[in-house]
Amino acid sequence: EAQVTQNPRYLITVTGKKLTVTCSQNMNHEYMSWYRQDPGLGLRQIYYSMNVEVTDKGDVPEGYKVSRKEKRNFPLILESPSPNQTSLYFCASSTTGGGYTFGSGTRLTVV
Amino acid sequence: LAKTTQPISMDSYEGQEVNITCSHNNIATNDYITWYQQFPSQGPRFIIQGYKTKVTNEVASLFIPADRKSSTLSLPRVSLSDTAVYYCLAFFSSGSARQLTFGSGTQLTVLP
Repeated sequence: EAQVTQNPRYLITVTGKKLTVTCSQNMNHEYMSWYRQDPGLGLRQIYYSMNVEVTDKGDVPEGYKVSRKEKRNFPLILESPSPNQTSLYFCASSTTGGGYTFGSGTRLTVV
Repeated sequence: LAKTTQPISMDSYEGQEVNITCSHNNIATNDYITWYQQFPSQGPRFIIQGYKTKVTNEVASLFIPADRKSSTLSLPRVSLSDTAVYYCLAFFSSGSARQLTFGSGTQLTVLP
């Protein structure tokens, strides 16, 4: 089944403890992206990647890192999480001209 | 990136056709229009996209007039399960850059 898989689905962590949210797609898509969704603010893009080793900042990149060493994987790294990064995170992928496929989401709580 | 404007909410009844209109006055020549559906705590789901005139698939139709300053998503005979947030986006797709910016969306509530 064609899909974008995020892990974990739920995560509670403490301020300052590094974490990684994994994202993997099995559709050979070139384009991958991370979004966060907060009440009243909608979906905001964090980072995106046009292909392997090509990444760029979205609208809200502060406090996040990404890497794209393989085409199928696009992990989101929070080096020192803070409570304002508590949010619902979505990974997505697409071909250059096609629609996005989104993952099921990761609900992160930073205490 | 073109800014889109759509109604915050709409109500409809089961079995009716629902039309959600989105305005994008500053759409660029190379921008496409795309629509997504999102249920609570789930990722958005791609519905349809188009460049001009009319596009139809198994779930919806998309009407884009000649001036491309607006577009209308048409959902035929909605059911309770169509209650969701619908996002209209204009995006520029090229080999060098592709950003997708979501607005606030339209909360569609289908009533029995």
